Amino acid sequence: GENVEQHPSTLSVQEGDSAVIKCTYSDSASNYFPWYKQELGKRPQLIIDIRSNVGEKKDQRIAVTLNKTAKHFSLHITETQPEDSAVYFCAAGGNQFYFGTGTSLTVIP
Amino acid sequence: KAGVTQTPRYLIKTRGQQVTLSCSPISGHRSVSWYQQTPGQGLQFLFEYFSETQRNKGNFPGRFSGRQFSNSRSEMNVSTLELGDSALYLCASSYSGTGGDGYTFGSGTRLTVV
Repeated sequence: GENVEQHPSTLSVQEGDSAVIKCTYSDSASNYFPWYKQELGKRPQLIIDIRSNVGEKKDQRIAVTLNKTAKHFSLHITETQPEDSAVYFCAAGGNQFYFGTGTSLTVIP
Repeated sequence: KAGVTQTPRYLIKTRGQQVTLSCSPISGHRSVSWYQQTPGQGLQFLFEYFSETQRNKGNFPGRFSGRQFSNSRSEMNVSTLELGDSALYLCASSYSGTGGDGYTFGSGTRLTVV
């Protein structure tokens, strides 16, 4: 089955700096790659996603890049703000949905 | 439209008891997946149901079971509870279960085993 690895497990950045979280997957059949944000005590919520026919997608301060050849995708958050502090999960989907192990992001004011 | 509803929100049980958790998906969603979330362990996949059939299963002992009804509502059951079963249990629903079609999480049931 699919194996999704996510790094780093924890990340601290100064407010205004950029944050990058990386994921790798193993199943070539995976064709959908979403990112979820889970704030403390809340449910994971979809923040951005990308499909295998696209290399990059951007939504305001967040962007996701996909390298299908290398089987890795990344989340980029620019101009980080304290409210970006949360746990972020990547996922890879094809015939089944698999999540990474999560990255705890702390934005220091 | 209504989101994914999980009940109850909080539950305290004694070791050895059993528990049943409920998940009502978004209207029209036929797939329901269950996850266990403990601090530092991320989202551990339990199982997925689609059209009343268990389609995928994670690596959990047989004490964890589930079912799905004709209206797509799903229940999961944990028998002979252990202290290590204390966790947040999340369900997610979608049209097909493969992602990209409205994969949405409920707020979860926080189970504490004492």
